Amino acid sequence: ELKVEQNPLFLSMQEGKNYTIYCNYSTTSDRLYWYRQDPGKSLESLFVLLSNGAVKQEGRLMASLDTKARLSTLHITAAVHDLSATYFCAVIRFSGNTPLVFGKGTRLSVIA
Amino acid sequence: NAGVTQTPKFRILKIGQSMTLQCTQDMNHNYMYWYRQDPGMGLKLIYYSVGAGITDKGEVPNGYNVSRSTTEDFPLRLELAAPSQTSVYFCASSPSSGNPDTQYFGPGTRLTVL
Repeated sequence: ELKVEQNPLFLSMQEGKNYTIYCNYSTTSDRLYWYRQDPGKSLESLFVLLSNGAVKQEGRLMASLDTKARLSTLHITAAVHDLSATYFCAVIRFSGNTPLVFGKGTRLSVIA
Repeated sequence: NAGVTQTPKFRILKIGQSMTLQCTQDMNHNYMYWYRQDPGMGLKLIYYSVGAGITDKGEVPNGYNVSRSTTEDFPLRLELAAPSQTSVYFCASSPSSGNPDTQYFGPGTRLTVL
């Protein structure tokens, strides 16, 4: 069974600081996604990571994937208040009844 | 291009009532999905469809039914609403599960069963 664990689940960080969110998954997967969700809103796609060593960056966010360790990281550089949201990672396998499995999310709060 | 639309946005049901959550996408995507999100949790897959006429169960299908008569529409039916079905429901679509493109999510339907 494919399981996805994120940590931390809650993160309060000061503006200007750096931090990393971790996403571990239990079995071989074919693709990993990062999403952002603002309170009361839908999910917005951030990154799709396809292969071992993949790294993608958008603004202050950078995502990476290590398939051997079954680990993805979302690194936040010089955090700003606008990054406050819940971040989800999700993993997909192309076989089985659960095409996309989500982690519980990391609720990020950036404070001045 | 509206993307994925869902109706209604909010609904309150009494225990035992039935309702259908509507989902429509205008991107000609083959794959469509229904998820539920409980407070403080990630999304769990209820049902999905790989094309018109084809549906399959996800992780938490009990208490729900779906149909896919057209590419555009993927309604979710609750037959006998229970308090455990209080949740936010998201519909999503993607060109295919094998495509690196991500899933596109609708705005969600917030359902409360009392």
